[in-house]
Amino acid sequence: GNSVTQMEGPVTLSEEAFLTINCTYTATGYPSLFWYVQYPGEGLQLLLKATKADDKGSNKGFEATYRKETTSFHLEKGSVQVSDSAVYFCALSSGSARQLTFGSGTQLTVLP
Amino acid sequence: SQTIHQWPATLVQPVGSPLSLECTVEGTSNPNLYWYRQAAGRGLQLLFYSVGIGQISSEVPQNLSASRPQDRQFILSSKKLLLSDSGFYLCAWEYGTGAGEQYFGPGTRLTVT
Repeated sequence: GNSVTQMEGPVTLSEEAFLTINCTYTATGYPSLFWYVQYPGEGLQLLLKATKADDKGSNKGFEATYRKETTSFHLEKGSVQVSDSAVYFCALSSGSARQLTFGSGTQLTVLP
Repeated sequence: SQTIHQWPATLVQPVGSPLSLECTVEGTSNPNLYWYRQAAGRGLQLLFYSVGIGQISSEVPQNLSASRPQDRQFILSSKKLLLSDSGFYLCAWEYGTGAGEQYFGPGTRLTVT
């Protein structure tokens, strides 16, 4: 079956630090990959996506590249801000199941 | 543009009481609809999904049920709540073509006392 493994948190960084949150996956076929962000007390927001190998998704300074050879989709940002503090979820969608498989989430806290 | 609404935003209910959470989507037709539960400090658990009116698939057997009486309305119910039903309930929609990306509502915080 499909699965997503995320870097365990929590992650605490200082403002302007470089961020990497690791995500690897197991799936049949050619999944689409997503990063979602959840701010405190809110629902999830789609942050970025990639639908095929070597695609790079980007949004709000965040980037992730779909690496089929390493089955990875790591999230990166060059300079984090306090407002980036949130929980980040990696997810995949594969086949006809029409369901997202989520990772367990990584809590990011950015200190001023 | 499409929007998704959930209500109520917060709910405190005693054990054994009934539950009804509502989700509605605007600005699209024939969406796939989903109910998730998020326990404190945990990831998301898919509870139900629906690809059309009256079509409900259950992922986890439990004392919850779902219904889709209209194309853009999805309801989560329970006849008798348990303490373990406490959590953050999220509704999501997806284009009916099944493109994969889902769009989430603001959630309902349920506390069972």
